[in-house]
Amino acid sequence: DAKTTQPPSMDCAEGRAANLPCNHSTISGNEYVYWYRQIHSQGPQYIIHGLKNNETNEMASLIITEDRKSSTLILPHATLRDTAVYYCIVRVGYGQNFVFGPGTRLSVLP
Amino acid sequence: NAGVTQTPKFRVLKTGQSMTLLCAQDMNHEYMYWYRQDPGMGLRLIHYSVGEGTTAKGEVPDGYNVSRLKKQNFLLGLESAAPSQTSVYFCASSSSGRTYNEQFFGPGTRLTVL
Repeated sequence: DAKTTQPPSMDCAEGRAANLPCNHSTISGNEYVYWYRQIHSQGPQYIIHGLKNNETNEMASLIITEDRKSSTLILPHATLRDTAVYYCIVRVGYGQNFVFGPGTRLSVLP
Repeated sequence: NAGVTQTPKFRVLKTGQSMTLLCAQDMNHEYMYWYRQDPGMGLRLIHYSVGEGTTAKGEVPDGYNVSRLKKQNFLLGLESAAPSQTSVYFCASSSSGRTYNEQFFGPGTRLTVL
């Protein structure tokens, strides 16, 4: 079953790029990698997803290694409002079983 | 559009009491989910539904029941609440019309079982 591992916490200076790594070494060939974030105790918010190619949207960029065993979420210019817990998730097994691990707590420092 | 809404926002129960949490979405989504989040942990899937009248078990289904009688609503029931069910419950929905799955989450229900 595909699962993910992330560092428990990271700091980033305001205005600098935040690079959040994720290991998903057991992901199957046709499964997407998704990133969400959770600010305070609000409901998680979708950020971006990817399959094989690098992806970019208005919030972030996603870099996926060629072997698909890991990925990195990049917030190009972190702001204080980006302080949150970031989750890298994949689907486990069949059906709609998405597993959210503990995530990475990103603190953006002034 | 309100997106995904959850009722109630807070609730305190005594052990053995029952209650139902309501999730509603106005995005015409086929898929709906119930997660729980314990302090300092990620979300764990309780049950999900891929369409009206269908439900399936997630990672932690024991002690909960669900129903999807209408497409826009997904109910989570606790028949006999236990202190171990103290948690924050999040509902989410997603469209079935895409190859990927972008879930939209509600604001959560904070449940305390004494």
